[in-house]
Amino acid sequence: AQKITQTQPGMFVQEKEAVTLDCTYDTSDPSYGLFWYKQPSSGEMIFLIYQGSYDQQNATEGRYSLNFQKARKSANLVISASQLGDSAMYFCAMRELPFSGNTPLVFGKGTRLSVIA
Amino acid sequence: KAGVTQTPRYLIKTRGQQVTLSCSPISGHRSVSWYQQTPGQGLQFLFEYFSETQRNKGNFPGRFSGRQFSNSRSEMNVSTLELGDSALYLCASSLTASGGMSTDTQYFGPGTRLTVL
Repeated sequence: AQKITQTQPGMFVQEKEAVTLDCTYDTSDPSYGLFWYKQPSSGEMIFLIYQGSYDQQNATEGRYSLNFQKARKSANLVISASQLGDSAMYFCAMRELPFSGNTPLVFGKGTRLSVIA
Repeated sequence: KAGVTQTPRYLIKTRGQQVTLSCSPISGHRSVSWYQQTPGQGLQFLFEYFSETQRNKGNFPGRFSGRQFSNSRSEMNVSTLELGDSALYLCASSLTASGGMSTDTQYFGPGTRLTVL
């Protein structure tokens, strides 16, 4: 069964600094997608970045990049130049992609990031 | 393009009552998934609908049900409410329902916060 582990319940980062949020996953399916979402205090889950298991390059979206290490089953999110508005909960999620049927998105417990001025 | 909308945003009910939550997906999206988020259990998958058919179901009791209409709008119903049903209910839409699509990103609505007294 697929599983996502986020070992950092909370993290602090100084404004304008870079921060890495850890995520490890477990799956026996060779085809899967990895996602990161941001959840501000308002509650809405905001999609940040996607990485496919067969993608050769690490995904990047603006200030967000995903450090994908397939052999270690790790998909860490890197936020560069942190801003006060980055303070939120961050969730790593995975969806197995079998050729038949479909599977739900499985989330980690999340990491609360606090950006300090 | 308008995002995922959920109504109502806040709801207060008493034990034993039933509740219906509504979700309108992004225009053109045919898949709708529902999740329950609580501080103790985190984000848990409820069910997924695609073209009016339930494609996947999480491990929730039969009191939780859902449906999808021909315009892709979805509703979920919880009957005989219990205190433990208090949660943020999130709806997400995606273009398809996976089955091999590696970029089937789910976009979330703002959620409905249900309080059961």
